[in-house]
Amino acid sequence: QQQVKQSPQSLIVQKGGISIINCAYENTAFDYFPWYQQFPGKGPALLIAIRPDVSEKKEGRFTISFNKSAKQFSLHIMDSQPGDSATYFCAGGRPGANNLFFGTGTRLTVIP
Amino acid sequence: DAGITQSPRHKVTETGTPVTLRCHQTENHRYMYWYRQDPGHGLRLIHYSYGVKDTDKGEVSDGYSVSRSKTEDFLLTLESATSSQTSVYFCAISEAGEDGYTFGSGTRLTVV
Repeated sequence: QQQVKQSPQSLIVQKGGISIINCAYENTAFDYFPWYQQFPGKGPALLIAIRPDVSEKKEGRFTISFNKSAKQFSLHIMDSQPGDSATYFCAGGRPGANNLFFGTGTRLTVIP
Repeated sequence: DAGITQSPRHKVTETGTPVTLRCHQTENHRYMYWYRQDPGHGLRLIHYSYGVKDTDKGEVSDGYSVSRSKTEDFLLTLESATSSQTSVYFCAISEAGEDGYTFGSGTRLTVV
């Protein structure tokens, strides 16, 4: 079963707007939550990651918000740009698991 | 991607033939992974390795085998290719299994 559920499947945002992608997880042992960005024809690349000891992490225009009690986390892209158009994957990891569990991806399109 | 190379980048093969995909890393990372990416399914783990000759199955391992005889190389073999194995295959490496990954550029495999 899908250990990390991601929504929406696709998202269209106007340039300058805020893009929001949501993920939910079931396994309370997860302690690492990365986001990956993938451009067409390329492999996913680590964008930003958070651990449960903080509720928010910001890197430039990208922010992860984390709600431990709700078992949810989200990616916010402020001032979205056409260059942000890509597929975004969330994931969860837990100690001893040896691997990450990925969401199904969100295709973001930013319209000029 | 720096430090990780997949070959071939593209391959077309016939149903029933064996196929081997190669992943080569120069980072000396302990963990190596094979994922497949399909629309609507995101990234699904096929097999992974946590050391030379140490491998384990992922969620979609049926029809696939792997080998790791050297730290730097991780091979994925489709024993008898089927059309359902048409996909984009990504290799990833990691220093610590549940932590951030570095992905290769992918291999697009078409089984006809």
